[in-house]
Amino acid sequence: NAGVTQTPKFQVLKTGQSMTLQCAQDMNHNSMYWYRQDPGMGLRLIYYSASEGTTDKGEVPNGYNVSRLNKREFSLRLESAAPSQTSVYFCASRNQQGNYGYTFGSGTRLTVV
Amino acid sequence: QKEVEQDPGPLSVPEGAIVSLNCTYSNSAFQYFMWYRQYSRKGPELLMYTYSSGNKEDGRFTAQVDKSSKYISLFIRDSQPSDSATYLCAMSLGGRKLIWGLGTSLAVNP
Repeated sequence: NAGVTQTPKFQVLKTGQSMTLQCAQDMNHNSMYWYRQDPGMGLRLIYYSASEGTTDKGEVPNGYNVSRLNKREFSLRLESAAPSQTSVYFCASRNQQGNYGYTFGSGTRLTVV
Repeated sequence: QKEVEQDPGPLSVPEGAIVSLNCTYSNSAFQYFMWYRQYSRKGPELLMYTYSSGNKEDGRFTAQVDKSSKYISLFIRDSQPSDSATYLCAMSLGGRKLIWGLGTSLAVNP
């Protein structure tokens, strides 16, 4: 099925550990995004990539890094996880034409203990 | 003041009711207005999209944009238990980034 695929779906990390969240889309979208979603805070943009080879900071980039590996893939890395990074992480890609709507993945539930 | 304000609810209605969900915004330059639906433990999915002012209808769903009042609405007619979800409004200037409301939690009771 066409869409955005995120892995893993669940992860528990210890404080200080690192991990990479993977995201891939097969819709030939240029723009890709990483969000975190927390109760009472809504969706907050971490990083985005307008096109292959470019990345930019969003609202809450501290503690994260990203890589736009190719047009399909956009990964998010936590170098030294902290409990404040416990959240649900969503990757999304954006339609370049028509309604410009975002297509989201199903999310990664991350707990940092 | 947030750029987009949305009452988080929760909103609880009986099956068959008409539901009205709303957002207000402060930036008069916004041109693209969207409603997303998010089921529990799922990613948001685009439900309705409107460019500039006016109404748009899709089945039981109607989206309205009133730019003069900086107010957008989503109406759900003949609501069903399957409509139980969180509804997020989002808007943009037409660039890459969307500005999101916090979402309204809706429960439709059989």
